[in-house]
Amino acid sequence: QVQLKESGPGLVQPSETLSLTCTVSGFSLTSYSVSWVRQPSGKGPEWMGRMWYDGDTAYNSALKSRLSISRDTSKNQVFLKMNSLQTDDTGTYYCTRDGITTVFAYWGQGTLVTVSS
Amino acid sequence: DIRMTQSPASLSASLGETVNIECLASEDIYSDLAWYQQKPGKSPQLLIYNANSLQNGVPSRFSGSGSGTQYSLKINSLQSEDVATYFCQQYNNYPNTFGAGTKLELK
Repeated sequence: QVQLKESGPGLVQPSETLSLTCTVSGFSLTSYSVSWVRQPSGKGPEWMGRMWYDGDTAYNSALKSRLSISRDTSKNQVFLKMNSLQTDDTGTYYCTRDGITTVFAYWGQGTLVTVSS
Repeated sequence: DIRMTQSPASLSASLGETVNIECLASEDIYSDLAWYQQKPGKSPQLLIYNANSLQNGVPSRFSGSGSGTQYSLKINSLQSEDVATYFCQQYNNYPNTFGAGTKLELK
């Protein structure tokens, strides 16, 4: 079945770079697109960016200058790198897979990232 | 960016009751609208896409409607397991944007 799992550091220092990995199973990254979505505690989710099935990328303009999404199809992994982290980047980070349309049909369990010194 | 405004922000209802949650987009999103359910400590789950299409495995007591800028999620015969926060999301334009959520509790 479709599974996605996020991994990475739980604590990041302010101004440092966040690196997360999404490891997927049950589908091919060359057939479905994967997005990163984050959610501050008690607030609505925020779409960060998408790795399309064909290798193209799309980013939220609010984050584009700090964000990079890449993949390794041989390892079934999608990567997120975001630099210059600040305290308001604290939240749960999810990777998601598109469904029939470009909605977030499958979600990972999420990983909590805290930005603090 | 397209702003998604949900109402109400919170809602208290009794078991068996019918519940309606509204979502207003700041511009026409041509039915590119999804609804998600999020239970405490869990990831969001897709309920509805294309404004009114039920995701596989979602109970038929959930339904979506609307067009243009106005959309709604209806829950018939509220069950205890429906206690959750519900989010709408548009995918017509980048960046895809979510509403702030409606927290549904039992009365």
